Amino acid sequence: DAGITQSPRHKVTETGTPVTLRCHQTENHRYMYWYRQDPGHGLRLIHYSYGVKDTDKGEVSDGYSVSRSKTEDFLLTLESATSSQTSVYFCAISESRGLNEKLFFGSGTQLSVL
Amino acid sequence: DAKTTQPTSMDCAEGRAANLPCNHSTISGNEYVYWYRQIHSQGPQYIIHGLKNNETNEMASLIITEDRKSSTLILPHATLRDTAVYYCITERNAGNMLTFGGGTRLMVKP
Repeated sequence: DAGITQSPRHKVTETGTPVTLRCHQTENHRYMYWYRQDPGHGLRLIHYSYGVKDTDKGEVSDGYSVSRSKTEDFLLTLESATSSQTSVYFCAISESRGLNEKLFFGSGTQLSVL
Repeated sequence: DAKTTQPTSMDCAEGRAANLPCNHSTISGNEYVYWYRQIHSQGPQYIIHGLKNNETNEMASLIITEDRKSSTLILPHATLRDTAVYYCITERNAGNMLTFGGGTRLMVKP
């Protein structure tokens, strides 16, 4: 299995509080991604990174920010959590991007915003 | 419209081959066919991908028709641990990211 660790695995928080999720990889892959998964919506890309300090928005980026100060770490921050951000969050990595890429996913973080 | 069509669900007997079909009639010439699966409560897992030729690895075989409009993922000897949602993917979004659709829920039964 690819060396991807997500923390925390579970978190319950209150509306309006800031939350940071961490993704740590030991594969030295250049690309890292944050997805959320909700019933009826499948996997949706929030943000991704193509290198240290290089990030870009995905299809559902509103309300989220990311940072990547080291190759191995990709942080997802909810500045002020809302109930609509209750979801399962997955981090993924890939060595390359393009038509022949392979994504490897972490085990996920279950976030509940009350 | 979705670029791939998969059955919503399928059953397979333990020990038998599981054949999961996928239609992708609008696939472009340079688009790969990817298969991932997601076991309950876990992150998606890469299985296999191919462009034109059939592919085989330690997990599965991928058979792509000559016209590339459909493919079949084969798990040669399904086990209970193969129960999962299987995603056939060809589509990419505006950011060139793979787009996961609904998938096929495979239930392997004893």
